[in-house]
Amino acid sequence: GAVVSQHPSWVICKSGTSVKIECRSLDFQATTMFWYRQFPKQSLMLMATSNEGSKATYEQGVEKDKFLINHASLTLSTLTVTSAHPEDSSFYICSTRLAGGTDTQYFGPGTRLTVL
Amino acid sequence: QKEVEQNSGPLSVPEGAIASLNCTYSDRGSQSFFWYRQYSGKSPELIMSIYSNGDKEDGRFTAQLNKASQYVSLLIRDSQPSDSATYLCAVRAGNNRKLIWGLGTSLAVNP
Repeated sequence: GAVVSQHPSWVICKSGTSVKIECRSLDFQATTMFWYRQFPKQSLMLMATSNEGSKATYEQGVEKDKFLINHASLTLSTLTVTSAHPEDSSFYICSTRLAGGTDTQYFGPGTRLTVL
Repeated sequence: QKEVEQNSGPLSVPEGAIASLNCTYSDRGSQSFFWYRQYSGKSPELIMSIYSNGDKEDGRFTAQLNKASQYVSLLIRDSQPSDSATYLCAVRAGNNRKLIWGLGTSLAVNP
């Protein structure tokens, strides 16, 4: 499988601030990365699909101006939660899909965001 | 109607028993099927993928796919307490390479 890292693993911030989460593929080049959010006791919710060198594709209901995604290289995608509010507190997880391969997604360890 | 459905559980089995987890999907054109395990507070990890009808075995795990009936199942033999987790079913539907996720089945293996 693929190795994916995320940083930070957890973050606590004040309401109104912005938080950047990094997702890195460590052992392969990822042309496509996915960003998910998971609230307690709920399943994964796809937020957006991040394509290297192009704009991210956001799912319906996800504010692209609030959740900024940048995928500037084949090994790094970032998610910035802008003007975070307590309702944005969640578990954010990225995943990658091997280029040219199957549809298998490999997940990073996740980032737990708490907005006070 | 949900596109991928799983029984939320909890499914409770004694240690050493067979745990059977089921998943149904609505898109008959679905092509790829996955089972992920998620421990509390952790991210999902891939257990198995299956693409064609029939059984696929990997150690204690067996995935079963029946496209005509639109279900995929996961059997865990000789269940261990360490198998206690939420099991997520994911399906790639049609030409869209996104995965559609079920809500997961919580499994508890009792020593």
